[in-house]
Amino acid sequence: DAGITQSPRYKITETGRQVTLMCHQTWSHSYMFWYRQDLGHGLRLIYYSAAADITDKGEVPDGYVVSRSKTENFPLTLESATRSQTSVYFCASSDPGGETQYFGPGTRLLVL
Amino acid sequence: AQSVTQLDSHVSVSEGTPVLLRCNYSSSYSPSLFWYVQHPNKGLQLLLKYTSAATLVKGINGFEAEFKKSETSFHLTKPSAHMSDAAEYFCVVSDLSGTSYGKLTFGQGTILTVHP
Repeated sequence: DAGITQSPRYKITETGRQVTLMCHQTWSHSYMFWYRQDLGHGLRLIYYSAAADITDKGEVPDGYVVSRSKTENFPLTLESATRSQTSVYFCASSDPGGETQYFGPGTRLLVL
Repeated sequence: AQSVTQLDSHVSVSEGTPVLLRCNYSSSYSPSLFWYVQHPNKGLQLLLKYTSAATLVKGINGFEAEFKKSETSFHLTKPSAHMSDAAEYFCVVSDLSGTSYGKLTFGQGTILTVHP
């Protein structure tokens, strides 16, 4: 199906473990984004990517790593998970004009 | 710098009555404005967007919003609420100035409850 998908949808992990959240889009959008959603903070931008092999930090990048070897995929890695990274993570991509972002269904991550 | 204020954290209406969700924004440039809806445990779905064309914007599911520059507002309305409208709604401003993509600033969200 066309659109933007995320996997896994739910993840429980332990402090110190490495976790990778996957994002895949079928629109061939150039821009892709990772946000986290937390109560009291709304959505905050973690990282974004303008194209394959081009990534940049957002508002809250510490503790996260991204890569983009292919246009359609934009994985987010927590190298050593901490409890403060418990959150809902949303991936998004934007249309050619860059204005409108379309969001995936989210990944709920719990770090114990 | 841009900012978004959603004036109500919770709105409760009866089914069949009008819905009004209020949003004020601040932006140094002519912004693009959006409303997104998030149903429980779901992603964010785009309801409608304003991008400097008509000031009255129609979206999906009978929602519409009016851009009022003089009041810096972008309120979301619907004439008749349906039970399926119960969700959280986010007003979002996008600023393309200085970047090649729309940097989004989200409001804190308004939870809409619809009573039978």
